[in-house]
Amino acid sequence: AQTVTQSQPEMSVQEAETVTLSCTYDTSESNYYLFWYKQPPSRQMILVIRQEAYKQQNATENRFSVNFQKAAKSFSLKISDSQLGDTAMYFCAFIHDSSASKIIFGSGTRLSIRP
Amino acid sequence: DAGVTQSPTHLIKTRGQQVTLRCSPKSGHDTVSWYQQALGQGPQFIFQYYEEEERQRGNFPDRFSGHQFPNYSSELNVNALLLGDSALYLCASSLDVREEKLFFGSGTQLSVL
Repeated sequence: AQTVTQSQPEMSVQEAETVTLSCTYDTSESNYYLFWYKQPPSRQMILVIRQEAYKQQNATENRFSVNFQKAAKSFSLKISDSQLGDTAMYFCAFIHDSSASKIIFGSGTRLSIRP
Repeated sequence: DAGVTQSPTHLIKTRGQQVTLRCSPKSGHDTVSWYQQALGQGPQFIFQYYEEEERQRGNFPDRFSGHQFPNYSSELNVNALLLGDSALYLCASSLDVREEKLFFGSGTQLSVL
């Protein structure tokens, strides 16, 4: 069975600092996608960043980047120059490429950015 | 361009009742999926609809059923509500059934008393 584990229930950093959220996953599949989703108080899930497992290069989106370690099954999210608007729940997620839509989510990390 | 819209935003029901939640996908999307998010947890996949048929299903009982209409909108029905059905129900849409990039709505918060 595929699982996603987020070991940090809560994190808090000062505005403008860099923060890293951890995620590990377990799968026997070779073709899959990994995601980080943000869920602010508005409750809408917003895609932050996406990584294809077959790509060795780590994905980046402006202030957001990932450290994808396929052998270790690790997928961490780094947020640089954190902003107050980054305050939200962050979910790591996995999907096998033949199970489009059936995303498996971790339990989430509540990130607070302090002014 | 309207994103994924869900209605109602909040709902209160009592045990044993039935509920229907509604979702309109993002413009141009033809595939709709439903997720249940219990308090303090990540969302769990309920099922996916494409071409008006259920294509994939997660580990949910038959009390959870759905429907997709010709305009791609969808409904989630839950019969014989239990207290444990209290959760945020999220709808997501995608360009097609094999597309892994999902767009989510803001959900319906269901409380079962």
